[in-house]
Amino acid sequence: EAAVTQSPRNKVTVTGGNVTLSCRQTNSHNYMYWYRQDTGHGLRLIHYSYGAGNLQIGDVPDGYKATRTTQEDFFLLLELASPSQTSLYFCASSEGVANTGQLYFGEGSKLTVL
Amino acid sequence: TQTVSQSDAHVTVFEGDSVELRCNYSYGGSIYLSWYIQHHGRGLQFLLKYYSGNPVVQGVNGFEAEFSKSDSSFHLRKASVHWSDSAVYFCAASINYAQGLTFGLGTRVSVFP
Repeated sequence: EAAVTQSPRNKVTVTGGNVTLSCRQTNSHNYMYWYRQDTGHGLRLIHYSYGAGNLQIGDVPDGYKATRTTQEDFFLLLELASPSQTSLYFCASSEGVANTGQLYFGEGSKLTVL
Repeated sequence: TQTVSQSDAHVTVFEGDSVELRCNYSYGGSIYLSWYIQHHGRGLQFLLKYYSGNPVVQGVNGFEAEFSKSDSSFHLRKASVHWSDSAVYFCAASINYAQGLTFGLGTRVSVFP
């Protein structure tokens, strides 16, 4: 079964702080995604990647950077965190194939920006 | 672009009851639809999907969903719920599966004994 591991699980920072959320998947999936989950908004796609070195912009990319260093590792960077980025962040991976386009999610990273 | 709407924010049922969660999408072409479940404090887990073929699809733990192109719907059903089915259920859609999924706002299901 696909495994997606996120770290840290909880993070508190202050406005203007620098945060990196990490995600590692161990199922050799090409596609990886970062979502944020907020009450009233559901899950919204921030960035995604087709493979190492590739980055694509999602629906809510402002204030976020991402890097895909290897097939396994996908990072979300908040260089100047703001309170509006307080959220629950999920990483997911997928084979990216139509018939098996299932997403495998991590357990989430809760970020609080004071 | 595609949109997904889930008309019920919260559904309350008793153990053993049937439940139907509604999902409607807006997009005129071929679309990939799926349902996910999120238990409290956990990540989302895949339940089932539809891309083509038989419009009734079976998923894990007795869930099934039916696709209707005429109604632009993909409703999720379960004949007899268990307390462990208490969770938030998300309908999701994609016209290009590689570009991720667009999620509805979710329906919280509370199952009482």
